[in-house]
Amino acid sequence: AQSVTQLDSQVPVFEEAPVELRCNYSSSVSVYLFWYVQYPNQGLQLLLKYLSGSTLVKGINGFEAEFNKSQTSFHLRKPSVHISDTAEYFCAVKRGGSNYKLTFGKGTLLTVNP
Amino acid sequence: EAQVTQNPRYLITVTGKKLTVTCSQNMNHEYMSWYRQDPGLGLRQIYYSMNVEVTDKGDVPEGYKVSRKEKRNFPLILESPSPNQTSLYFCASSPVQGGAHEQYFGPGTRLTVT
Repeated sequence: AQSVTQLDSQVPVFEEAPVELRCNYSSSVSVYLFWYVQYPNQGLQLLLKYLSGSTLVKGINGFEAEFNKSQTSFHLRKPSVHISDTAEYFCAVKRGGSNYKLTFGKGTLLTVNP
Repeated sequence: EAQVTQNPRYLITVTGKKLTVTCSQNMNHEYMSWYRQDPGLGLRQIYYSMNVEVTDKGDVPEGYKVSRKEKRNFPLILESPSPNQTSLYFCASSPVQGGAHEQYFGPGTRLTVT
């Protein structure tokens, strides 16, 4: 069975600082990886996804993530955050093949302070 | 507009009073799923459906029922709600064909059982 570990439950940063939200997964087979964002009182919105190909994936709102197969990681980064990036971020993994189940991490609350 | 809708968005009820949360998608997706979100636990899958009349248990199915009589609708039924089912519920859908893989989420239903 696959699992996802988000290493930080809360990450406070100042506006315009860089940020990295860490995600590690465990799976013995090929996987697809996703980052979702949940703004206050809203549903989940896809930020970016890794399916195959280039290990550096660019998403919306200036976020990017790097797939590292040897370290089974998929860390999310942004070089300069804004107040509006304050939200909860979820890493998720889906096994390759016909299994459509998404397994989520417990989430990281990013708080951007002025 | 392509979307997943849920109703109601907020619901307060009492222990034992049967309730249904509706979910509908207009994207002709085959796969639909229900999750519950609890603080510190992330999203956990309750039930999923691969297509009409095909449903299966997720990780936390106890106390819930679902049905899939039409492709667009996937209602979640709580026959006898209990306080431990107080949670934020999300419905999601995904195409099975085409390799898109990501799931599209509804806005959420906040349920309180007293």
